[in-house]
Amino acid sequence: AQSVTQLDSHVSVSEGTPVLLRCNYSSSYSPSLFWYVQHPNKGLQLLLKYTSAATLVKGINGFEAEFKKSETSFHLTKPSAHMSDAAEYFCVVSDYSSASKIIFGSGTRLSIRP
Amino acid sequence: GAGVSQSPSNKVTEKGKDVELRCDPISGHTALYWYRQSLGQGLEFLIYFQGNSAPDKSGLPSDRFSAERTGGSVSTLTIQRTQQEDSAVYLCASSSTSGIFNEQFFGPGTRLTVL
Repeated sequence: AQSVTQLDSHVSVSEGTPVLLRCNYSSSYSPSLFWYVQHPNKGLQLLLKYTSAATLVKGINGFEAEFKKSETSFHLTKPSAHMSDAAEYFCVVSDYSSASKIIFGSGTRLSIRP
Repeated sequence: GAGVSQSPSNKVTEKGKDVELRCDPISGHTALYWYRQSLGQGLEFLIYFQGNSAPDKSGLPSDRFSAERTGGSVSTLTIQRTQQEDSAVYLCASSSTSGIFNEQFFGPGTRLTVL
């Protein structure tokens, strides 16, 4: 069975400092992993995805994530936060056990301090 | 092209009434998902349609919830005899095919409030 845990419900950083949003997963098979972002009053948008190619995945808006099988982690990072990055971020896992069972984490709210 | 659309954007109803929520997926997308997002929570899977296959209804929380997809396109989620705990944002997503690699495109959601 799959599961995903986002370790922080809320992260606050200063503008221009690095961002780290943590995600751990559990999967019986080789998983696909995604990060989605949800800005206030907007729909969810895909940031990036890992599908068993390169373990370091680059996404939109300067975000990237590294798949670490030994740590069962897929943490999202960005070198320098921007005010526009303030949003809710969701880590998502899916695997071959069921094409319909795409599991969302509970979300991490990212706040950016001026 | 147009993205996923949902209607209504907001729905306020009284406890015990039935509601219908509509989703128009991206044209040509064969996979369609319904999720529920309660305040401060992640997304809860409700139901999944893929082409003409029987839907996966394993996420529906009770028999008051049902969904259909007509002609492989538009989908309607129906909640009968609504309860206050049904209050949430209901999100629809579509993807070009099923499978674990594919990006889902989300609609803006329908915010349901049950008084």
